Amino acid sequence: AQRVTQPEKLLSVFKGAPVELKCNYSYSGSPELFWYVQYSRQRLQLLLRHISRESIKGFTADLNKGETSFHLKKPFAQEEDSAMYYCALRDYSGNTPLVFGKGTRLSVIA
Amino acid sequence: DSGVTQTPKHLITATGQRVTLRCSPRSGDLSVYWYQQSLDQGLQFLIQYYNGEERAKGNILERFSAQQFPDLHSELNLSSLELGDSALYFCASSLSQGPDIQYFGAGTRLSVL
Repeated sequence: AQRVTQPEKLLSVFKGAPVELKCNYSYSGSPELFWYVQYSRQRLQLLLRHISRESIKGFTADLNKGETSFHLKKPFAQEEDSAMYYCALRDYSGNTPLVFGKGTRLSVIA
Repeated sequence: DSGVTQTPKHLITATGQRVTLRCSPRSGDLSVYWYQQSLDQGLQFLIQYYNGEERAKGNILERFSAQQFPDLHSELNLSSLELGDSALYFCASSLSQGPDIQYFGAGTRLSVL
């Protein structure tokens, strides 16, 4: 079975401070990991996909298979980063549905 | 705008009633996925259709059903509604049934009173 855990429901940081949103997963197969973001009153948008290894809006995430983690990081938080962040997993083949964590609300304080 | 359209945006109904939620995928996308987002359960996968056929089933109740039509739009039917069915229902679409990115619609907020 696939499982995604985001241990923090809410994370508050000051503007300019580093941000780390935690994501741990459990899956016996080869995983593909994603971060989706949901800004207030907007739809879910793909932020990062581990296989693309991109940096979007200053965010990065590295898949650590040893620790089964895919933490989202940004060195300097901006107020516009305030949103709901969801970590999601599926099989690397793409042939299983996305399984989402319960999300972390990031609040960046000016 | 992801190109995935969901209607209606809001739906208020009573217990025991039946509603239909509609989703139009992005142009060219053959796969449609339905998710339920509730406060206690988070985002949960309900069902996937690919080119008109059911491909995967998640935590979908027997009172719920879905279909994908020849024009590729999809409908999620919720019947014998209960208070606990109040949630945001999201539709997502992707190009195929494999490792493509899923693009989400804005959701339909269902309130069962």
